[in-house]
Amino acid sequence: QTVVTQEASLTVSPGGTVTLTCASSTGAVTSGHYPNWFQQKPGQAPSALTYSTSSRHSWTPARFSGSLLGGKAVLTLSDVQPEDEAEYYCLLYYGGPWVFGGGTKVTVL
Amino acid sequence: QAQLVESGGGVVQPGGSLRLSCAASRFTFSGYGMHWVRQAPGKGLEWVAFIRYDGSNKYYADSVKGRFTITRDNSKNTLYLQMSSLRAEDTAVYYCAKDALVLVPAAEWGQGTLVTVSS
Repeated sequence: QTVVTQEASLTVSPGGTVTLTCASSTGAVTSGHYPNWFQQKPGQAPSALTYSTSSRHSWTPARFSGSLLGGKAVLTLSDVQPEDEAEYYCLLYYGGPWVFGGGTKVTVL
Repeated sequence: QAQLVESGGGVVQPGGSLRLSCAASRFTFSGYGMHWVRQAPGKGLEWVAFIRYDGSNKYYADSVKGRFTITRDNSKNTLYLQMSSLRAEDTAVYYCAKDALVLVPAAEWGQGTLVTVSS
């Protein structure tokens, strides 16, 4: 069974930068996993942020950026705003099925 | 902006069956792949199933394979999830979500419907 692992929680100051990672139990995450990132705030449905490693949706602020680094997918939040406090999930492609990571709770303090 | 409205959730006994629906509007439903994603109370997101725009390919999470079936009726702009042999661990909010493009999954989501498996 494939497991996708994210940090459980991270804390960042307003205006700061925070990096979230997404690792696969099958080995290095590559562009072939078409990494996606989603944001979910309490009581709301998830919202898509980025896809295919580094592409932003039209509604995604530029301060959210996706990449690959050290065999992991990475979501970097720059100039963090109070409204960025949320749960963040990565989603990886495995040649048919997709698998979500366990989520990272980002706290803005 | 797509509109996705899930329905069919409720309380069902262990071992029972339920069919969820997702009514789609404001986009050409027959042109897009669709997913079901669930979230157990207080837990993270779990991808459940995917169906290609024309229904020709379907994929499932191991946790539901053989028990759940994803289908679609493009003439009715509706996505379905037939769930059988339900277990307590299937209790969750079930979301349907629309692809933006091939391999650009779940770009837009519905608000979800709650399924509770309990005796």
